Amino acid sequence: DVKVTQSSRYLVKRTGEKVFLECVQDMDHENMFWYRQDPGLGLRLIYFSYDVKMKEKGDIPEGYSVSREKKERFSLILESASTNQTSMYLCASNRLAGVETQYFGPGTRLLVL
Amino acid sequence: LAKTTQPISMDSYEGQEVNITCSHNNIATNDYITWYQQFPSQGPRFIIQGYKTKVTNEVASLFIPADRKSSTLSLPRVSLSDTAVYYCLVGGDKIIFGKGTRLHILP
Repeated sequence: DVKVTQSSRYLVKRTGEKVFLECVQDMDHENMFWYRQDPGLGLRLIYFSYDVKMKEKGDIPEGYSVSREKKERFSLILESASTNQTSMYLCASNRLAGVETQYFGPGTRLLVL
Repeated sequence: LAKTTQPISMDSYEGQEVNITCSHNNIATNDYITWYQQFPSQGPRFIIQGYKTKVTNEVASLFIPADRKSSTLSLPRVSLSDTAVYYCLVGGDKIIFGKGTRLHILP
């Protein structure tokens, strides 16, 4: 079975802190994605990566950056956390974008105070 | 990118068949239709995917008419554990999650 893990299930940070969310997949998938999910808004794509050191902006990249130094690991970085970044963050991976099923991690619920 | 429209919420009872319909009027020729299920505090989980006609697996069936402008996810004999949010997605190279349908199964 594909396994996508995220470093934390729950995280509490203060405004202005730099926050790192880590995601690891064990199926040698080329593509990895970061979403945020907010009540009433569904899932929104922040960034995705189709190869090591490659990244593309999703629909809401402002305030975020990403890093993909190794194929299995995709990090989401909040350079200076703000309260409007309080959300559930979901990581996903797949072999080919779109048609191929995306496999999701359990999510990280981030609270920024 | 094809936009999808599905009901915000639905209620049903245990043992009944549930059908959730999704509209995607501007679906492109190479787009597939995929449904995901999400339980609270978990990531979405793949249910079924199709291109046209009917697809069935151990969990659900997916009905797609010839014009492909809509699709219907059918869950046979639902149980309380099927209470979840169901997302309809359409895409090829890129997919977009909508707001989903919150399905509530009653005893």
